[in-house]
Amino acid sequence: GAVVSQHPSWVICKSGTSVKIECRSLDFQATTMFWYRQFPKQSLMLMATSNEGSKATYEQGVEKDKFLINHASLTLSTLTVTSAHPEDSSFYICSARDQAFASTDTQYFGPGTRLTVL
Amino acid sequence: RKEVEQDPGPFNVPEGATVAFNCTYSNSASQSFFWYRQDCRKEPKLLMSVYSSGNEDGRFTAQLNRASQYISLLIRDSKLSDSATYLCVVNPDNYGQNFVFGPGTRLSVLP
Repeated sequence: GAVVSQHPSWVICKSGTSVKIECRSLDFQATTMFWYRQFPKQSLMLMATSNEGSKATYEQGVEKDKFLINHASLTLSTLTVTSAHPEDSSFYICSARDQAFASTDTQYFGPGTRLTVL
Repeated sequence: RKEVEQDPGPFNVPEGATVAFNCTYSNSASQSFFWYRQDCRKEPKLLMSVYSSGNEDGRFTAQLNRASQYISLLIRDSKLSDSATYLCVVNPDNYGQNFVFGPGTRLSVLP
């Protein structure tokens, strides 16, 4: 099946720093990628939809200036958590849709990035 | 009311048992439905899609009742490896632009 990678898999940073997370589709092209956040013992919550070559669409309550998304190519989307604070500590997961199967709704998930802000 | 609700769990069952999970969704216009499983500290993995009147895949059977806005997952002859959190996922439109995840139901299969 399709493979999506994320980097880094885990990161620990100091409060106030910015952290960039990369999401790559390894064997397919993804015009659309999704970024989710999952807090402990809770389900995944969609943060934003990332479209290649255009601005991301953010869900209600997600600050676009804090969570910067760039989808510069068909295989890469990045999420930058700016001025991270302890409450941003979470499991960030991306997913991607295969451009070749745009009429289906299958999403392939990356392995996730665990962010801990001290 | 939450968009997608599931049995709160956890479910602790012995090996070989049959277990069923329930899920309800609030958007009657929802088009497609899925069950994902998520292991601790891992990403969700697609278990099965649920279309029309439901479908079966080995020990797993998913049912959809559009009138009641209800989805179920039945696991027969449960294995230790089935221990995970099962996520009910609803797609409100037909082109996957916005998956809505349920809170998940934790299953522990005991030896």
